Amino acid sequence: KNQVEQSPQSLIILEGKNCTLQCNYTVSPFSNLRWYKQDTGRGPVSLTIMTFSENTKSNGRYTATLDADTKQSSLHITASQLSDSASYICVVSLETGANNLFFGTGTRLTVIP
Amino acid sequence: SAVISQKPSRDICQRGTSLTIQCQVDSQVTMMFWYRQQPGQSLTLIATANQGSEATYESGFVIDKFPISRPNLTFSTLTVSNMSPEDSSIYLCSVDWGWGSDEQFFGPGTRLTVL
Repeated sequence: KNQVEQSPQSLIILEGKNCTLQCNYTVSPFSNLRWYKQDTGRGPVSLTIMTFSENTKSNGRYTATLDADTKQSSLHITASQLSDSASYICVVSLETGANNLFFGTGTRLTVIP
Repeated sequence: SAVISQKPSRDICQRGTSLTIQCQVDSQVTMMFWYRQQPGQSLTLIATANQGSEATYESGFVIDKFPISRPNLTFSTLTVSNMSPEDSSIYLCSVDWGWGSDEQFFGPGTRLTVL
């Protein structure tokens, strides 16, 4: 069964600290993995997209890693800011089909001063 | 990237009524989708809105409950019919550029509360 699991479910960190969010998936055949940031009351916004051959991709203070062998990905946030408070959703795409996306339930990150 | 707007942004409705949500994109797109995000849950695909033909619904969703229109390549509507409190969710419109595209963009969502 194609599934995407994220951990932790929620996380509270102090402003300026780093954190790492995890994503494990069983989706196959794999096409790409995306991390989205969803602010409260808003739609998800793409942070990174990685294909099978990519191990690391950065977008500012966000760095995503992918291990296609173990089917794991992580999103590392450096020097967190209050504006990083949001839900972070891992989405894995199947190789075929018009819209074969599998969504994780997200990690709710709260950055406190 | 695509700029997507949705109307209304939020609404509170009585059970048994219907609400139509509009999705407008600033450029022509091949694929448009409607998602539901229930409280504390991830996104669930309702249907793919096809231009010029009936929408393609995912398992568990039916046209009578969620009729969809897509009159052109930049606009779509989703109606939530005969609402019940279980329909309280965020409804999101999403687009991508078509086959081979890696990017998918989401609208800001419509927060629906059914009393």
